[in-house]
Amino acid sequence: GNSVTQMEGPVTLSEEAFLTINCTYTATGYPSLFWYVQYPGEGLQLLLKATKADDKGSNKGFEATYRKETTSFHLEKGSVQVSDSAVYFCALAFYNQGGKLIFGQGTELSVKP
Amino acid sequence: NAGVTQTPKFQVLKTGQSMTLQCAQDMNHEYMSWYRQDPGMGLRLIHYSVGAGITDQGEVPNGYNVSRSTTEDFPLRLLSAAPSQTSVYFCASSYSKGDYGYTFGSGTRLTVV
Repeated sequence: GNSVTQMEGPVTLSEEAFLTINCTYTATGYPSLFWYVQYPGEGLQLLLKATKADDKGSNKGFEATYRKETTSFHLEKGSVQVSDSAVYFCALAFYNQGGKLIFGQGTELSVKP
Repeated sequence: NAGVTQTPKFQVLKTGQSMTLQCAQDMNHEYMSWYRQDPGMGLRLIHYSVGAGITDQGEVPNGYNVSRSTTEDFPLRLLSAAPSQTSVYFCASSYSKGDYGYTFGSGTRLTVV
């Protein structure tokens, strides 16, 4: 079946450090890939997306590239801020199959000043 | 533009009671879904809909019913609440193409005692 695996958290970084959160997926076919962010007490917000191989999604300094050969969609940011502290979810969906989102378990990021 | 609106935000139920979680969107999205979020388990799909009059089961449908009589509304019914249904519930909606991702509501925190 289709699934998403993320690196376990929590991840604790100092402000301005480099961030990588690993995400790999298992899927039959070529899904759309997403990163969502959840700030404390809030719902999920779409951070970035990629809909085909080699696409790079980017937003707010975050980037992720759809790698078909390694079935990966790792999230990166060059310099994190305290305000980036949140839980990050990697997800996939097949929009020609009802668009059901399948999530990884989430990675909590804590950025210290 | 309200986006996805969920009500109520908090609810406490006694075991065996029934209730309906409301979800409405004003973006004319075809796809709507319900997820539950539990610690360490990410988000799991309960039910989803690809359009008015069409619903289907997700990963964890037992104990829940849905209907979609209009494009805008997608209520989730708990038939006989159990403590195992204590969770945070999110409703989400999307266009039928994956270019925009899903928009999530702010969630309903449900406690069953």
